[in-house]
Amino acid sequence: GAVVSQHPSRVICKSGTSVKIECRSLDFQATTMFWYRQFPKQSLMLMATSNEGSKATYEQGVEKDKFLINHASLTLSTLTVTSAHPEDSSFYICSASGTGSNQPQHFGDGTRLSIL
Amino acid sequence: SQQGEEDPQALSIQEGENATMNCSYKTSINNLQWYRQNSGRGLVHLILIRSNEREKHSGRLRVTLDTSKKSSSLLITASRAADTASYFCATPPSGTYKYIFGTGTRLKVLA
Repeated sequence: GAVVSQHPSRVICKSGTSVKIECRSLDFQATTMFWYRQFPKQSLMLMATSNEGSKATYEQGVEKDKFLINHASLTLSTLTVTSAHPEDSSFYICSASGTGSNQPQHFGDGTRLSIL
Repeated sequence: SQQGEEDPQALSIQEGENATMNCSYKTSINNLQWYRQNSGRGLVHLILIRSNEREKHSGRLRVTLDTSKKSSSLLITASRAADTASYFCATPPSGTYKYIFGTGTRLKVLA
């Protein structure tokens, strides 16, 4: 089955640090990947849609300068949390789906980001 | 705002019992999907039901879809302790590729 690899799985760093999270589709090409944020015991909130070779589409309220997304190839999208602060601490999850309609999304295992 | 609302928010049952969780959504859809999330992990796709389907089975899972009521249900039969997880429905509103997730149901199956 389709596999999405996300790393790192856990990051603990000081306030002001920038953190990069990678999302890779291992055995299929993903023209579109999605980045979500999840708070404890809550649902996934879509942050942005990452499109290969073009700019990401951000959801309302998500700062594009804060959360930089790059989708340079059909198998890799990155999310960089710039100058992270404690309020950015959260669980970040990426997903990707194959081409065509009615395709399920395949998720990475998530990244637990803790900003001290 | 979130597309989906699920109920119950939390459900605790004994092993062997059936678990039913419901999802409601707001706009027209092409399909509806159910996912499972174990604590601290990513989501695992369980089942996809298209908008022209009314019921679908996969192993111990049974999903129904009522597009007139904009609702779906997930039934897990003969539950096991390993079924303990959060369950989410997700829908891509027609004309979009974005998936909007419901609020989720936290299921606990007691051995």
